[in-house]
Amino acid sequence: LAKTTQPISMDSYEGQEVNITCSHNNIATNDYITWYQQFPSQGPRFIIQGYKTKVTNEVASLFIPADRKSSTLSLPRVSLSDTAVYYCLVGNQGGKLIFGQGTELSVKP
Amino acid sequence: DSGVTQTPKHLITATGQRVTLRCSPRSGDLSVYWYQQSLDQGLQFLIQYYNGEERAKGNILERFSAQQFPDLHSELNLSSLELGDSALYFCASSVDRTGLDTQYFGPGTRLTVL
Repeated sequence: LAKTTQPISMDSYEGQEVNITCSHNNIATNDYITWYQQFPSQGPRFIIQGYKTKVTNEVASLFIPADRKSSTLSLPRVSLSDTAVYYCLVGNQGGKLIFGQGTELSVKP
Repeated sequence: DSGVTQTPKHLITATGQRVTLRCSPRSGDLSVYWYQQSLDQGLQFLIQYYNGEERAKGNILERFSAQQFPDLHSELNLSSLELGDSALYFCASSVDRTGLDTQYFGPGTRLTVL
């Protein structure tokens, strides 16, 4: 199953768009990409999931290029409350679930 | 509040001991997942149960075992504990068996092995 790599940390300012990229060079045909958000002392929380191209929901967009070897989580106009750790997850229906190491996003005023 | 409950919140024990962590899934969810989160290893998938049956295994040690009961709650048993087993253990639940639907995580159990 694909090994996932993310930047360890990122800084941003309120109101900016933030893009966090996850590399998964060995992604398999039947693998999906999911992103989770985690606040301190809490369990991760689902943000968005996709297979290819672009997916958008009320909180984020997920961009997946044609080769699917990476994916980018886009958070529009971040606020202080978006300060958290963001995890990329590559998984398939075979039951294997691989999380990236997480990206610690710090949003400053 | 995700609707997933885990007990206890904190657990302190000694090396060589055995502990049991408990998880109650969201109402209606049939799948339960167990994860270990440590500073050096990140979030590691351990095991998944679906409607009482083991469905998928991740990086679960032989010293660890789990089960899901008829009422769908699950227990993770950790035995012959080592210092390196100190971590946050999360349980998550979801509706279907694929592992691809939204997983709802509990607040975790923090295990400290002294």
